[in-house]
Amino acid sequence: DAGVTQSPTHLIKTRGQQVTLRCSPKSGHDTVSWYQQALGQGPQFIFQYYEEEERQRGNFPDRFSGHQFPNYSSELNVNALLLGDSALYLCASSEPFGTGNNEQFFGPGTRLTVL
Amino acid sequence: GENVEQHPSTLSVQEGDSAVIKCTYSDSASNYFPWYKQELGKRPQLIIDIRSNVGEKKDQRIAVTLNKTAKHFSLHITETQPEDSAVYFCAASFFPTSYDKVIFGPGTSLSVIP
Repeated sequence: DAGVTQSPTHLIKTRGQQVTLRCSPKSGHDTVSWYQQALGQGPQFIFQYYEEEERQRGNFPDRFSGHQFPNYSSELNVNALLLGDSALYLCASSEPFGTGNNEQFFGPGTRLTVL
Repeated sequence: GENVEQHPSTLSVQEGDSAVIKCTYSDSASNYFPWYKQELGKRPQLIIDIRSNVGEKKDQRIAVTLNKTAKHFSLHITETQPEDSAVYFCAASFFPTSYDKVIFGPGTSLSVIP
């Protein structure tokens, strides 16, 4: 089991551009959450996907959107990039609801730099 | 909104000493409190968690205590080793009737001096 995987590892964009980040959850997991981690700070919850729908959302603008596919993989899209969007974007997956285990497993992250 | 505070922001201890990190949370509905360790350039990894129906949980050199009334919880690491050096994050969430967003604290950078 490869665990949670994310692509790409690093990405450099310029202001105003759009970016798509990808995440494949750990085998057996169906829920995917996305976090933004600025340098020196804790992860900030962006949103969570379950059954291909956004179930919870943090305090992020509509420029941040996502998608979950039938195979449970997920994408994070950010439009109209700002310098402040530069951060490590983490994806985390967890087991189906009802298993009694809500531990989140994190991927290695995508380092986004906006110039 | 929900908030998790964490202290201290940096902590330096001698090898073999104990380290304590304290957190407070604002949402009284929170009932699941995980702790994550993040080494430089790596992903956060769960090291221990506690649910609100338990006051203390221990796993070898790591223990977590929870005071629901005061909305405080703490991480205790005993007999610290250089490999314990990392950033530690506390977090709060709500479980099990529905998944909820996990709110992280700002982190504590722990340095264990050999």
